[in-house]
Formats: sequence, structure tokens, C-alpha cells
Amino acid sequence: DTAVSQTPKYLVTQMGNDKSIKCEQNLGHDTMYWYKQDSKKFLKIMFSYNNKELIINETVPNRFSPKSPDKAHLNLHINSLELGDSAVYFCASSLDLSNQPQHFGDGTRLSIL
Amino acid sequence: SQKIEQNSEALNIQEGKTATLTCNYTNYSPAYLQWYRQDPGRGPVFLLLIRENEKEKRKERLKVTFDTTLKQSLFHITASQPADSATYLCALEGTDKLIFGTGTRLQVFP
Repeated sequence: DTAVSQTPKYLVTQMGNDKSIKCEQNLGHDTMYWYKQDSKKFLKIMFSYNNKELIINETVPNRFSPKSPDKAHLNLHINSLELGDSAVYFCASSLDLSNQPQHFGDGTRLSIL
Repeated sequence: SQKIEQNSEALNIQEGKTATLTCNYTNYSPAYLQWYRQDPGRGPVFLLLIRENEKEKRKERLKVTFDTTLKQSLFHITASQPADSATYLCALEGTDKLIFGTGTRLQVFP
């Protein structure tokens, strides 16, 4: 069973569109994250949620809106997509907010035409 | 601001040798540090965590050191194998988050 799964794996769309990426974890973790990895492979945190509450919003444009319906899910909705949004987006989870290892999904590669 | 540097160039070594990867940081005093492995097209996978009061941590062929005076962590893979080829990321503890380095690509040749 996949621990952290995100869909879709690939997303190709046009500038200006709205899209969503879904993430689910079956590890029973309290904390979930969204990261963006750019073309230079730099992995940067965007959001973190703990027990469905927003903990970190790392100065991400408000076109990005995370939603956590329950502890096991953290979805990412992006409005008015821009060329600079092209990247790989990773979802991750950890037991809690303390110094715990993080478990990552395999990423969603978003390409904006 | 906090800065984390890893070898920006790829590291190429021969099978059987020990690979040593470096993670340096500045303007920062993390309480712990983690190392991850990332394969192409996959998410990072956790390998080891070391705390500031631990000088060294081992797991099978992997060894991590943490020198808070030098502000440096070294990651060693002994008896390296082609299957160890991947990008290795160090990550430092931040406030309720991890701060990742840019990673070092390791290539192990037969």
C-alpha cells in the first residue's frame, strides 16, 4: 500500500486555468505538507497542516489554496495558473510537528503551456 | 538569512569506494539534521536523523556526522554500489518545518 499518494502524476494545462492536486496518507500522521521543487531541484516548503489546521504558509501567492478535509488528506488548488508555476509539487506527511522524518509522495509534475 | 550548501557538482566514484557528501550551513543552529535520498521521478526518502548532541549516527553502510562547531554534516556511504546512485538531500530543522539543501547527485560506476 502506498503511504503517501498524490494525483495526478502529470498535469499539463494552459496558462490561466484552475487545477487541483490531491494528496492522501494512510500512515495515521497528524501533519501534512506541500512542497515545490523547481527546475534546479530546490525543494521548498509551501504549506503545512497539523490536525487540519494551517501551520505554515510560506509566502505563497494566494492563488494557491490548500484544503484539508481531514487529517489524512491535504489537497492543493491553484487558480489562474502562470508559467512560473511549472514545477514538481510534492506532498509529504510526518507523525507530528516535532523532529520527525517526513514521508513523501512521488510528486505531481505540473507543466503550464 | 539561513543558508544550506551541498556539493553543487555531481560526485562520481567507483563501486566499492566510500562516498562522502557534505552539507554546510550558516546563520543557523539547528537542533537536528536529516538526510534524504531522491531518485529521478520519485519523492525524497528519509535515511537518517542526527541530533545536535550526537556526533555520529550509523545505519548499515551509511554514516552521518554532525559538527555544530564547523556547522557541517558529512554523509558517508561505505562500499558504494551502483544502486546507491541518486541525489542526496540534507535538511535542517526549522520552526515547524524542514529546510532542504539543493542536493548532491551521486553516481557510482561499476
